[in-house]
Amino acid sequence: AQTVTQSQPEMSVQEAETVTLSCTYDTSESNYYLFWYKQPPSRQMILVIRQEAYKQQNATENRFSVNFQKAAKSFSLKISDSQLGDTAMYFCAFRSNAGNMLTFGGGTRLMVKP
Amino acid sequence: GAGVSQSPSNKVTEKGKDVELRCDPISGHTALYWYRQSLGQGLEFLIYFQGNSAPDKSGLPSDRFSAERTGGSVSTLTIQRTQQEDSAVYLCASSLDRTGVYEQYFGPGTRLTVT
Repeated sequence: AQTVTQSQPEMSVQEAETVTLSCTYDTSESNYYLFWYKQPPSRQMILVIRQEAYKQQNATENRFSVNFQKAAKSFSLKISDSQLGDTAMYFCAFRSNAGNMLTFGGGTRLMVKP
Repeated sequence: GAGVSQSPSNKVTEKGKDVELRCDPISGHTALYWYRQSLGQGLEFLIYFQGNSAPDKSGLPSDRFSAERTGGSVSTLTIQRTQQEDSAVYLCASSLDRTGVYEQYFGPGTRLTVT
């Protein structure tokens, strides 16, 4: 079974600065998908960014980028130019290529301070 | 179009009562998922539907939990004889298909409190 670990329960960052959230996972598969989801106080889970394991190039979506290290089974999220609206819980998630469900990490609560 | 909707938004029930939670997926999405988010267990997968069939029920925690999906659309998660440990936020998600990198779109969840 796959496991996903987020070692930082809480983080804070000053507005306009950069922050990196860590995620590691354990799998014996070679083809899979990784995701970062954001959950603001409204509870709505919103996809931030996704990465296919077979792609070597790190995914980027505007201010959000990932550092995907397949051999190390690491998938960190970098948020540049942090904004107050980035305050939320962030979940790293894994999905097997053959599976359907998402396996989530325990989450990191990010607070962006003005 | 509209996103995934869930009802009710909040539900308070007494221990031992049955509850039904509803999920309306995005139109055209064939795959539907239920997850549970609780303080102690984090986010857990419960069940997955492809169309009206549920090929993966591996996450249902006990036989008090059941779910159905009708017409390839609306799904209902039923919890019988609720217990206090059932208190959690129940999240529903849908995706165009289960394969590939199709995104799972989540609803706002139903917060269930068992007193």
